[in-house]
Amino acid sequence: ETGVTQSPTHLIKTRGQQVTLRCSSQSGHNTVSWYQQALGQGPQFIFQYYREEENGRGNFPPRFSGLQFPNYSSELNVNALELDDSALYLCASSSPFRGTNGYTFGSGTRLTVV
Amino acid sequence: KNEVEQSPQNLTAQEGEFITINCSYSVGISALHWLQQHPGGGIVSLFMLSSGKKKHGRLIATINIQEKHSSLHITASHPRDSAVYICAVRGSQGNLIFGKGTKLSVKP
Repeated sequence: ETGVTQSPTHLIKTRGQQVTLRCSSQSGHNTVSWYQQALGQGPQFIFQYYREEENGRGNFPPRFSGLQFPNYSSELNVNALELDDSALYLCASSSPFRGTNGYTFGSGTRLTVV
Repeated sequence: KNEVEQSPQNLTAQEGEFITINCSYSVGISALHWLQQHPGGGIVSLFMLSSGKKKHGRLIATINIQEKHSSLHITASHPRDSAVYICAVRGSQGNLIFGKGTKLSVKP
C-alpha cells in the first residue's frame, strides 16, 4: 500500500496571494479530508471530498476551495491569503468500507504567510 | 467548551514510568481515535475504539461510552515515545473532531 503524500512540504507566500496544496490518496481510499492546524492547537476540519464531490465542510470561508480527481488525489486552494492562514495543512485519506483504523494522514504542508 | 477535551496539556515523565492521557468528549460518537504526531507534523493513527479496550505493544487504549471518556496508557515509557498524542472523534459529516493534544516528553 502507498501512503498519503502531500506537496509541497513547506511554502512561504505573501498576503493576498493564492496557494494550491496537493495530496495523494492511499490506494483503495476514495475519501480525502483536509485540516488546518495552527501552532499549539488540534487540527480543524476544512472540508472533505468523496468521489470527486465535496460532502462536508467546516467553518472556513469560501476562499478555501478544493478539488478531488478521478484517482482520488486532491487539491486545496486558498485565495487572498491572510496572515492567519499560516498553519500546518494536513490531509487524510479514508474509505468507509475499510475496517482498520480508517484514516491515513500525510506529513502536512507548512504554510507561512508574510 | 470544546467538543473534545484532553488532559493534561503537557506531560513530562522519566523513562520507565507509566503514563496516562485522558480524553473526554461531549458529542455522540461511533468511534474514537488516538493519534500520535511527531515534531515534523505527520500524524500516525494508533487506535480506533468503539468499546472496551485495545492493546498494541506498550500502548493500551480504553473507552467508557456511558461516561464519554477514554484513556491512553503507555507502559514502560521510553524517550522515543515523546510526541503529541491527540484524541479525535468522528463528526456528523464523517470528519474527525480533534482535541488540542497532549505533549509528552520522556526523559532518559
